[in-house]
Amino acid sequence: GIQVEQSPPDLILQEGANSTLRCNFSDSVNNLQWFHQNPWGQLINLFYIPSGTKQNGRLSATTVATERYSLLYISSSQTTDSGVYFCAALANFGNEKLTFGTGTRLTIIP
Amino acid sequence: EADIYQTPRYLVIGTGKKITLECSQTMGHDKMYWYQQDPGMELHLIHYSYGVNSTEKGDLSSESTVSRIRTEHFPLTLESARPSHTSQYLCASSEGAGPLTGELFFGEGSRLTVL
Repeated sequence: GIQVEQSPPDLILQEGANSTLRCNFSDSVNNLQWFHQNPWGQLINLFYIPSGTKQNGRLSATTVATERYSLLYISSSQTTDSGVYFCAALANFGNEKLTFGTGTRLTIIP
Repeated sequence: EADIYQTPRYLVIGTGKKITLECSQTMGHDKMYWYQQDPGMELHLIHYSYGVNSTEKGDLSSESTVSRIRTEHFPLTLESARPSHTSQYLCASSEGAGPLTGELFFGEGSRLTVL
């Protein structure tokens, strides 16, 4: 099945800093999502982005499907951005269920 | 925004008890899923359904069972809970027709502790 790898595994930043989270996947995809898991365990949808670029406030994401990676950008980080960020991908062929990466744990220090 | 609800949010129970985790969605999604996640770790799919009367096992073997009698309801049952079942259980649903997965939306999760 498809392999999904995220980097870095951990990231500690000062409030106000910018960050880039990366998601590599091993096959061509027709579904790619980014989620934020808050400290209470809930997974919040950030982006549904199998290709192209999207922006939502301080967050933006870019998926380069031909190069098999996606990037999540967080600008002007706030303490509420802390948590674990997961990407999940569905390959064009093969089993038809999203595969999750192992996540990037982001900690924003005041 | 998604409307998918899980109860209970937190449950502490003794070994050998039967438990049912409830999951309901009001979006009319045909596809529903259960994931299991240990704290800070990746998510593992344990059950999914493509519609009423459809249930399939996921990638991670689980002693739990599910049912899908109504489109909006996808409960998960453990007949005899054990400490190894301690985990967070996340329910999700997705839009889109056919077998391909559309955008996935999650409930708030049920955190189970078995003593």
